Amino acid sequence: DQQVKQNSPSLSVQEGRISILNCDYTNSMFDYFLWYKKYPAEGPTFLISISSIKDKNEDGRFTVFLNKSAKHLSLHIVPSQPGDSAVYFCAVVNAGGTSYGKLTFGQGTILTVHP
Amino acid sequence: EAGVTQSPTHLIKTRGQQATLRCSPISGHTSVYWYQQALGLGLQFLLWYDEGEERNRGNFPPRFSGRQFPNYSSELNVNALELEDSALYLCASSESGTLNEKLFFGSGTQLSVL
Repeated sequence: DQQVKQNSPSLSVQEGRISILNCDYTNSMFDYFLWYKKYPAEGPTFLISISSIKDKNEDGRFTVFLNKSAKHLSLHIVPSQPGDSAVYFCAVVNAGGTSYGKLTFGQGTILTVHP
Repeated sequence: EAGVTQSPTHLIKTRGQQATLRCSPISGHTSVYWYQQALGLGLQFLLWYDEGEERNRGNFPPRFSGRQFPNYSSELNVNALELEDSALYLCASSESGTLNEKLFFGSGTQLSVL
């Protein structure tokens, strides 16, 4: 049972344009939603997060949107840069019960930004 | 400040053997997490240690085990290795009790089971 899905395995974008990465989840009890970025041969690095009580969080070129009714999370990167080329993982956490401390990750989306 | 360090970088074992992977968290972090990333899959949660105790584990068989030492470093042991255990094993650390679960990851140990 996959609780977090990133349905697009890859995304290709031109430099300067917007990149939109999407993530769907099934459990309405999730408390926090995060995005991580991973370069080859490196571990994932934290990018941005959003609490379930908000619908938008912005940090520089990165904005995360949360649509709780649709159980949908998206990451917008504007403007996209070649250095943004990486694998992007969405992750969710349920702060309560047996899931506490456990981040559940999506499968990842490979973003390629062309100069 | 040193990040999360993992050793070895690469590990080659044969089926049935045991593998031991090591992780040192960021100084001041008391929580250590282990994740498995098999080829083509996302990160699968394995184990969470905090203050020397196992706090949670994912849906993996008991031959996946580990421990956390008094200095908060951690070991992941995989017994009776199977071919499908070949994967990148990532360790992460965080400050204990942070609700938003911002994790800092190491670069991983690539385990190959032949």
